[in-house]
Amino acid sequence: KQEVTQIPAALSVPEGENLVLNCSFTDSAIYNLQWFRQDPGKGLTSLLLIQSSQREQTSGRLNASLDKSSGRSTLYIAASQPGDSATYLCAVRSSAGGTSYGKLTFGQGTILTVHP
Amino acid sequence: AAGVIQSPRHLIKEKRETATLKCYPISRHDTVYWYQQGPGQDPQFLISFYEKMQSDKGSIPDRFSAQQFSDYHSELNMSSLELGDSALYFCASSHQGPGNTIYFGEGSWLTVV
Repeated sequence: KQEVTQIPAALSVPEGENLVLNCSFTDSAIYNLQWFRQDPGKGLTSLLLIQSSQREQTSGRLNASLDKSSGRSTLYIAASQPGDSATYLCAVRSSAGGTSYGKLTFGQGTILTVHP
Repeated sequence: AAGVIQSPRHLIKEKRETATLKCYPISRHDTVYWYQQGPGQDPQFLISFYEKMQSDKGSIPDRFSAQQFSDYHSELNMSSLELGDSALYFCASSHQGPGNTIYFGEGSWLTVV
């Protein structure tokens, strides 16, 4: 059974800092990994999708890396801003068994606070 | 472009009542998923549909049922509601295939009192 863990559970940084969020998963048989952002009481906004064959993806100030063999991914946020404050969730789409590709297994998330 | 649309956004029901949540996927997406996120929890997969057929099933209680209609919208029906069913229910959609991004709606808040 796939398990996803995110470290740290919470992070508070001053504006302008570069930061790294970590995600690990137990089963390396994955199709891809997706990073999401969730604001309080809101939906999940997809940030980056990394296919299992890829090593990293970039979008603006965000860079996500994937090391499938070791079961790890990191989300790097450059020059953090107060508007980046949210919960960040990683989710893996497993390829072991099943007939659909849609089941995402989520981590518990990292609550990020960027203070001015 | 319009995203995944869910309705209602908020719903309050009493124990043992029935609730129905609706989901309208992104245009031309053929796959719909339902997730449940309890307070302080990560989203848990409930069920998915591809081309109006159930494609996968997760931790969905027997009291819940769902279907996808010919216009690809989906409905999640929840009966005999319990206090523990209070959660944020997400619908998501994508093109079929493991390489495609899954897009989530804003969610429907269900409170059971």
